[in-house]
Amino acid sequence: EAQVTQNPRYLITVTGKKLTVTCSQNMNHEYMSWYRQDPGLGLRQIYYSMNVEVTDKGDVPEGYKVSRKEKRNFPLILESPSPNQTSLYFCASSPSPGRMGNEQFFGPGTRLTVL
Amino acid sequence: AQKITQTQPGMFVQEKEAVTLDCTYDTSDPSYGLFWYKQPSSGEMIFLIYQGSYDQQNATEGRYSLNFQKARKSANLVISASQLGDSAMYFCAMRRGNQGGKLIFGQGTELSVKP
Repeated sequence: EAQVTQNPRYLITVTGKKLTVTCSQNMNHEYMSWYRQDPGLGLRQIYYSMNVEVTDKGDVPEGYKVSRKEKRNFPLILESPSPNQTSLYFCASSPSPGRMGNEQFFGPGTRLTVL
Repeated sequence: AQKITQTQPGMFVQEKEAVTLDCTYDTSDPSYGLFWYKQPSSGEMIFLIYQGSYDQQNATEGRYSLNFQKARKSANLVISASQLGDSAMYFCAMRRGNQGGKLIFGQGTELSVKP
């Protein structure tokens, strides 16, 4: 089944404890992206990757890191989480972004709470 | 600045009736795409419909249609014959032609369908 998977789905952690949220897609998509969703703000892009070893900042990259060593995986790293990073996180992938109409396929989401 | 605005935080509709969810956008790019996503209470993001800026006809997908008024910069979603399963959060999003796959999301509209 074609899908984007994220792990963990739920995570409660404490301030300053490094964590990684994994994202994997099995559709051979070039483009991958991370978003965070907060009430009243919709979804905002954190980082994106156009292909392997090519990553760039989105609109809210502070406090996050990413890597794209393989085409299928795009982990999100929080080196020192803070309470303002409590949010619902989505990973998404898409075929080559050159075609405007290519929809983005979203993972199931990861609900992160930082105490 | 590029922006998506959804002015209806919440809406109610009677089952079997049609409902329109409003979306306005702001961009100076001639090439862009508009998407609608549904987010049920379970949290996943489900792609509904897409409209390209150069498309001559309004997009339709089953019970979903997009009322695209380019001069007014609006891209309203119309759901015909509402069903209880349509109760969800709905997000309008825009993708600009020169920004790869990045989606800019509106704040969302929570739709409740009454039996």
